Amino acid sequence: DGGITQSPKYLFRKEGQNVTLSCEQNLNHDAMYWYRQDPGQGLRLIYYSQIVNDFQKGDIAEGYSVSREKKESFPLTVTSAQKNPTAFYLCASSIIQGNTEAFFGQGTRLTVV
Amino acid sequence: DQQVKQNSPSLSVQEGRISILNCDYTNSMFDYFLWYKKYPAEGPTFLISISSIKDKNEDGRFTVFLNKSAKHLSLHIVPSQPGDSAVYFCAASAPFAGNQFYFGTGTSLTVIP
Repeated sequence: DGGITQSPKYLFRKEGQNVTLSCEQNLNHDAMYWYRQDPGQGLRLIYYSQIVNDFQKGDIAEGYSVSREKKESFPLTVTSAQKNPTAFYLCASSIIQGNTEAFFGQGTRLTVV
Repeated sequence: DQQVKQNSPSLSVQEGRISILNCDYTNSMFDYFLWYKKYPAEGPTFLISISSIKDKNEDGRFTVFLNKSAKHLSLHIVPSQPGDSAVYFCAASAPFAGNQFYFGTGTSLTVIP
């Protein structure tokens, strides 16, 4: 079955710790994205990547880092520099050429305790 | 600055009636528009889209209308069903932005049986 897999679904982190969220896709999509959802704020773009070993900052990249070593994988690290990390994180992927939709994973709920 | 806006946070509709969800955008360079449906703690699922060269696209009970001069699009659901109760996000993309997707803040639709 083709799709996007995010893991884990729920994640707890102590303040001051870095944590990495996993995102894997087997859709052969070139582009991958990380969004953050907060109540009343919709989906805000953190980072996106259109090709392996290249990525761009989105609107709220501060306190986050990513890597794109493989086409299928786009992990997101939430660092201790992120001041308000508790949120619902969504990974997505799409093809690049032409008008197309993004496909989303099921999300990871990160809670800082 | 929010480039895609959904000014109604919530909407309640009786079962069998029409639901109309609205979305406004600011950048005339957007050329592809999408609607997503989202349940709590899940990833958004693609619903319907429209290219800027069209003014209407229909898929079963769902129709999207695009008014480019007003920079406005709307999603019509007829007839509305209780299973349609969810949060609906509109999104826009454009080549100038590397085809990344800009999302609105969402409208929570409740269909009352």
